[in-house]
Amino acid sequence: GAVVSQHPSWVICKSGTSVKIECRSLDFQATTMFWYRQFPKQSLMLMATSNEGSKATYEQGVEKDKFLINHASLTLSTLTVTSAHPEDSSFYICSARPPGGGLWGTDTQYFGPGTRLTVL
Amino acid sequence: GENVEQHPSTLSVQEGDSAVIKCTYSDSASNYFPWYKQELGKRPQLIIDIRSNVGEKKDQRIAVTLNKTAKHFSLHITETQPEDSAVYFCAASMKVITGRRALTFGSGTRLQVQP
Repeated sequence: GAVVSQHPSWVICKSGTSVKIECRSLDFQATTMFWYRQFPKQSLMLMATSNEGSKATYEQGVEKDKFLINHASLTLSTLTVTSAHPEDSSFYICSARPPGGGLWGTDTQYFGPGTRLTVL
Repeated sequence: GENVEQHPSTLSVQEGDSAVIKCTYSDSASNYFPWYKQELGKRPQLIIDIRSNVGEKKDQRIAVTLNKTAKHFSLHITETQPEDSAVYFCAASMKVITGRRALTFGSGTRLQVQP
């Protein structure tokens, strides 16, 4: 259980084009999904928190107009990199947190397989 | 915001030896500390986690300890095997009930187990 998929797994695009990446929770509903970016040999940096039915919350320094996030359903969040440039080339990973109750809620995050974006 | 520091950045051990990776965090409100293993080009996989109401947790060859007073937590891998070679990330998270808080990751430790 708790499987998260991501599509596409890799994409190469020309500078100035837009790229959409999908993140799906396959066997659970996720009211919250997270988008991370990982540069080679570096750690995962949180870009934004995607909330179903409401606007995403972006981390400081992340341009909301450049990285559009839409969480249209409880199993799907999309990240669109608009007007991509070579410096946007990176590994983009989403994660989702299953719902739960109790004192701790559900802390565990499950990650998608990632999308490698290369902008030429 | 939360800041997580991780050491060492690289660690090489002989097969069968133990490996220890240490992390410190800055925000005393953090209460959930997972460890992830990431192989090259793949997704991070949760290997063990600990919550702030316990000091130690063990799962076969893997254990995590937490010192809330000192704000540090450690991953211990015993009887290491070549397939343990990967990058390991620690992370910290504040109470999830507040909604928005996500994981803050350490910088990662590249573990190499020499056969």
